[in-house]
Formats: sequence, structure tokens, C-alpha cells
Amino acid sequence: DGGITQSPKYLFRKEGQNVTLSCEQNLNHDAMYWYRQDPGQGLRLIYYSQIVNDFQKGDIAEGYSVSREKKESFPLTVTSAQKNPTAFYLCATQDRGYSNYGYTFGSGTRLTVV
Amino acid sequence: GESVGLHLPTLSVQEGDNSIINCAYSNSASDYFIWYKQESGKGPQFIIDIRSNMDKRQGQRVTVLLNKTVKHLSLQIAATQPGDSAVYFCAEPKGGKLIFGQGTELSVKP
Repeated sequence: DGGITQSPKYLFRKEGQNVTLSCEQNLNHDAMYWYRQDPGQGLRLIYYSQIVNDFQKGDIAEGYSVSREKKESFPLTVTSAQKNPTAFYLCATQDRGYSNYGYTFGSGTRLTVV
Repeated sequence: GESVGLHLPTLSVQEGDNSIINCAYSNSASDYFIWYKQESGKGPQFIIDIRSNMDKRQGQRVTVLLNKTVKHLSLQIAATQPGDSAVYFCAEPKGGKLIFGQGTELSVKP
């Protein structure tokens, strides 16, 4: 969606496993974000990165890790420390030059623990 | 914590009627709000935004009203169509992040 590719669309994880969700963008946006969405809930911020090689924790970072080695990529790893990882994960980018804060969202990855 | 919140989790309207989705915020210094539409299984899409120096802003079939006195904003959808069925969020940029409300699920009855 809008130059953001999230993969896979559906992901199943066994308890105790780490899994990595991919987010790639070709929008040349500096900032990238990871949100978690539970059924009937709003979006909660996990991690965000304003520039390459730098990232900050959001409101619910525990049990997650990220890296930002390239401008185009911001992968999210859900570790075994995340006790309730089943959720819909959304990646977003931001171009600060736009008046609507230029947020663009990917189409999401639905993670299920089996 | 959150600084924006929606009043009702669900809203059901008849096709062709107008829909009104409400949102309240807590910080009187908030100066910018965004409405998003999220269809099932997809990411949120930008609908319309409004700055605090405005009371009203209109888009195509949508209007956002901002009442700074009571810290309330609303999204009005005219002549609601089945394709408008989705979850609607108000959001506010804060500290370089985007803070979302809980969302209201709009259902359109044919």
C-alpha cells in the first residue's frame, strides 16, 4: 500500500519462537513506525525510527526488537519474551514535509501464536 | 497514555443517511488532528485533518468539526454508502509520534 510492503501477510508462530516481520518502503521517507492492533482496539506504538541507525521505544516495546540499517527497511522481531504476541502489526512511514504529517500505512501482518 | 478517545465503539446507520463519529481529547494545547479510515484487514488510510485555528474543514462527502471549548471533534459523513463501512480513528501527533483513539466501527445497513 502506497509504497510500503509488509510481509508476510499472515504468520504463525509456535510458543517460544522468535519471528521477524518485514517492512520495506520505496517512498524515501525518513521516519518509520511499528504499531500493534488488537481486536476492537486502537493502534499502539511499539518502536519508531526517525533516521537510519537510530530508533526509540514506543509505548509497548517490551518483548520486541527492531533494527534500522537501511532507510528502506525497518524489520520488527517478536521475541519469545512477548507473552501475548497474537495481533495485527502495522508498519508506517512518515514524510515530515506534508501538512497531514505524511503518514502512510502498510497493509499489515497478522501474527498468530499456535 | 492516550490523549484522544472516541465516544462509541460501534455505529450503525442506514445507507443514504448521514453519519457522525465523535472524538474527545484531553490536552487543550493540542493543535492538529487527523481522521483515518481502516477497512477490515488493511492499514489505516488518511481521510481528513484539521488544525486548531479552524473550526470546520470539508472534504469530499466528509466534514470535520472542531470544538476547542469542549475539546471535541467530530467526523461527519454525508450520504453514507456501504463502502464507508470501516473503523474510524481520530489521531493526534504528539512528540514525533501519532497517538490513536480506540476507534468507532461504522456499519452501513442497505
